[in-house]
Amino acid sequence: AQKVTQAQTEISVVEKEDVTLDCVYETRDTTYYLFWYKQPPSGELVFLIRRNSFDEQNEISGRYSWNFQKSTSSFNFTITASQVVDSAVYFCALSEAHTGNQFYFGTGTSLTVIP
Amino acid sequence: GAVVSQHPSWVICKSGTSVKIECRSLDFQATTMFWYRQFPKQSLMLMATSNEGSKATYEQGVEKDKFLINHASLTLSTLTVTSAHPEDSSFYICSAPTGTGTEGTEAFFGQGTRLTVV
Repeated sequence: AQKVTQAQTEISVVEKEDVTLDCVYETRDTTYYLFWYKQPPSGELVFLIRRNSFDEQNEISGRYSWNFQKSTSSFNFTITASQVVDSAVYFCALSEAHTGNQFYFGTGTSLTVIP
Repeated sequence: GAVVSQHPSWVICKSGTSVKIECRSLDFQATTMFWYRQFPKQSLMLMATSNEGSKATYEQGVEKDKFLINHASLTLSTLTVTSAHPEDSSFYICSAPTGTGTEGTEAFFGQGTRLTVV
């Protein structure tokens, strides 16, 4: 079964629009970690954020914000005032405490920001 | 912050040859490293867990005789694709965690290696 689901395969927005990338996860662990990574065309994974399962506070970092809701097992990512440089594939990932830091990645959302 | 260096970043090889990819943790020790494979426009799939001082653990469907993993030291893991074929062409990426699951996980990824077998 897929542990991390990113239902949006591709999204296109016009520059300066806001965009939300959805992520739904599945786990039986009480201790787990959620991540978002950005993968530009060059391929490397750029770390954006990590949340642990005990911290449901939403977080804002510049134009990025994350909404963690355990009740719906979701960890959504919003980019405000999108820019062309935000164009990339974004991956949501889950790490469970009992599996020793193995990452389960979603299928990714390809974001294209149109100038 | 912690850095994981992966080399080479890209390689083209002939069918039937072997290719070695290195993954190094530059400023921390990693008893465990993970190897992932990513086909074009797909997600990253875990191939194997590399364990320092013991055999690697392979995911179901991954041929251990084809993808040889050696965790030679606390800072180096290597993945060797033996007798490579065009279907092995993919993006390979390693990661190394800096903590344990109970302490908090921080995983750093290498830059990835794009393998093309011709």
